[in-house]
Amino acid sequence: SAVISQKPSRDICQRGTSLTIQCQVDSQVTMMFWYRQQPGQSLTLIATANQGSEATYESGFVIDKFPISRPNLTFSTLTVSNMSPEDSSIYLCSVWGGGYTFGSGTRLTVV
Amino acid sequence: AQRVTQPEKLLSVFKGAPVELKCNYSYSGSPELFWYVQYSRQRLQLLLRHISRESIKGFTADLNKGETSFHLKKPFAQEEDSAMYYCALSGTYNQGGKLIFGQGTELSVKP
Repeated sequence: SAVISQKPSRDICQRGTSLTIQCQVDSQVTMMFWYRQQPGQSLTLIATANQGSEATYESGFVIDKFPISRPNLTFSTLTVSNMSPEDSSIYLCSVWGGGYTFGSGTRLTVV
Repeated sequence: AQRVTQPEKLLSVFKGAPVELKCNYSYSGSPELFWYVQYSRQRLQLLLRHISRESIKGFTADLNKGETSFHLKKPFAQEEDSAMYYCALSGTYNQGGKLIFGQGTELSVKP
């Protein structure tokens, strides 16, 4: 299965700023997914990112807040924009390559 | 509506005791069901998927379409089984697509 490198692993950010999270895969994959896990909650899909097309966002998530790039089949970024304390969560990327693999997550704290 | 329900937030058992983590789902088509496990300080990893019908680390899970359940079972729990367990559903059979996660059950195996 694919191996995912996700960074940063954690960050503490000031409200109103933006953070870009990177996800690098060791093989080419068509589908990449970005999830959010709020404190004490389960994982919720933010968007699906396929190479060569715009990301598809789930209900409650918008591109202006969570812009995603997918420049090639092994890389994607998720930006959390204009952050507020409510954005404090773990963000994870995932890929489908015959099975789902997850990154190690980015623990974001907004102060 | 697509939904995965794990009714127990915390399950505590003694070493050697049987364990069953419950998962019920709501989906109108033919979903693919998964169990994921997250050990302390590790990334989310696949434990079981119903189409493979494997037994991993002594765990098994059977898809019961009549009861829309996919409970995870192990006859003799070990301390190293202590972790967070998530049941998840995909609506696109063996093709990728988004995962819908349950709330998770924390399993604690006491010595």
